Amino acid sequence: NAGVTQTPKFQVLKTGQSMTLQCAQDMNHNSMYWYRQDPGMGLRLIYYSASEGTTDKGEVPNGYNVSRLNKREFSLRLESAAPSQTSVYFCASSELRGGRAPDTQYFGPGTRLTVL
Amino acid sequence: SQKIEQNSEALNIQEGKTATLTCNYTNYSPAYLQWYRQDPGRGPVFLLLIRENEKEKRKERLKVTFDTTLKQSLFHITASQPADSATYLCALDSVVRGGADGLTFGKGTHLIIQP
Repeated sequence: NAGVTQTPKFQVLKTGQSMTLQCAQDMNHNSMYWYRQDPGMGLRLIYYSASEGTTDKGEVPNGYNVSRLNKREFSLRLESAAPSQTSVYFCASSELRGGRAPDTQYFGPGTRLTVL
Repeated sequence: SQKIEQNSEALNIQEGKTATLTCNYTNYSPAYLQWYRQDPGRGPVFLLLIRENEKEKRKERLKVTFDTTLKQSLFHITASQPADSATYLCALDSVVRGGADGLTFGKGTHLIIQP
């Protein structure tokens, strides 16, 4: 049981390049999330998917796109990377039973992205 | 706007003492509050959850209190050990997003337990 896995672990891009960050979970969770973490800013939600086939914007969605490929996988795409997107990206998943039921999240190990 | 505040300065505690971390929030009415631990280079790991109708929750050496009047949660680690050194994040369900779409995290407090 691997939990939440992310690839790659590290990536360096040049401004304008594109890339996709991959995330997969094996806990049969309904909901998945993408966060970025910057020094002094904490974790900020980029996009989330409450269930397979649905995605919604979080706090900081500009410059990103997502795909919920199936129940297991949720990818994050940077179409034209900018230095401001240098960050650590975390994927998370949760069972989420709806409404305001507790939403304990399980995080992956993160992807450290540098945009030059 | 909604705001979660955690002490941004590192907290230095001597081994064996109780460490107390604070999470304050404004413009929120959370149904529950969670605490996570994050080690350098790793993702956050869930520790404890406390609901709005609970005053206190315990798990081994950890204790969390939740005061909805003061809009504050305290996170205690008793008999602290150097292995408890990490960043601790508090998180609340997001009322703005309807509570069904994730958590909003504080920036975290870096705890250092000195031998």
